[in-house]
Amino acid sequence: KQEVTQIPAALSVPEGENLVLNCSFTDSAIYNLQWFRQDPGKGLTSLLLIQSSQREQTSGRLNASLDKSSGRSTLYIAASQPGDSATYLCAVRRYSGGGADGLTFGKGTHLIIQP
Amino acid sequence: DGGITQSPKYLFRKEGQNVTLSCEQNLNHDAMYWYRQDPGQGLRLIYYSQIVNDFQKGDIAEGYSVSREKKESFPLTVTSAQKNPTAFYLCASSITGPGNTIYFGEGSWLTVV
Repeated sequence: KQEVTQIPAALSVPEGENLVLNCSFTDSAIYNLQWFRQDPGKGLTSLLLIQSSQREQTSGRLNASLDKSSGRSTLYIAASQPGDSATYLCAVRRYSGGGADGLTFGKGTHLIIQP
Repeated sequence: DGGITQSPKYLFRKEGQNVTLSCEQNLNHDAMYWYRQDPGQGLRLIYYSQIVNDFQKGDIAEGYSVSREKKESFPLTVTSAQKNPTAFYLCASSITGPGNTIYFGEGSWLTVV
């Protein structure tokens, strides 16, 4: 059974710092890995999608890497801002019988950027 | 605007009642999903549907039921058989195919009183 772990569970840093969020998964047979942002009481916003054949994806100040063989992904946030404060979720798209079904999620990293 | 609409945002249910959460999308996506989120837990998959009139159980389907009569709609019924239904419920959709991004609605809060 696929398990996804995110470290750290919570992180508080001053504004302007670069930071790294970690995600690990136990089964390397995945289609892709997706990073999401969730604000309190809200739905999820997709940030980056990395296909299993890719090593990284970038969007603005965000960079996500994937090492499928070791079951690891990182989300790098450059020059953090208070508006980046949110919970960041990592999820892997898994195989199931005849094809892909839904995502398996980690529990998230709760990020606070101090002004 | 294209997107996924969930309703109601907040719902209170008495014990023993069934309730239905609505999910509508105008993204022309074939695949739709329902997840449950509990505090301190990751999201867990309840049901998913890859095509109209077909759906599969996810990891925690007991006590829930779904239908997929239209491409745009994937309602979730929380039945009285669900022992701990108080949670945040999220609907999602995607283009069919494993390589595609999954998009989420804003969620529905269900509380049992």
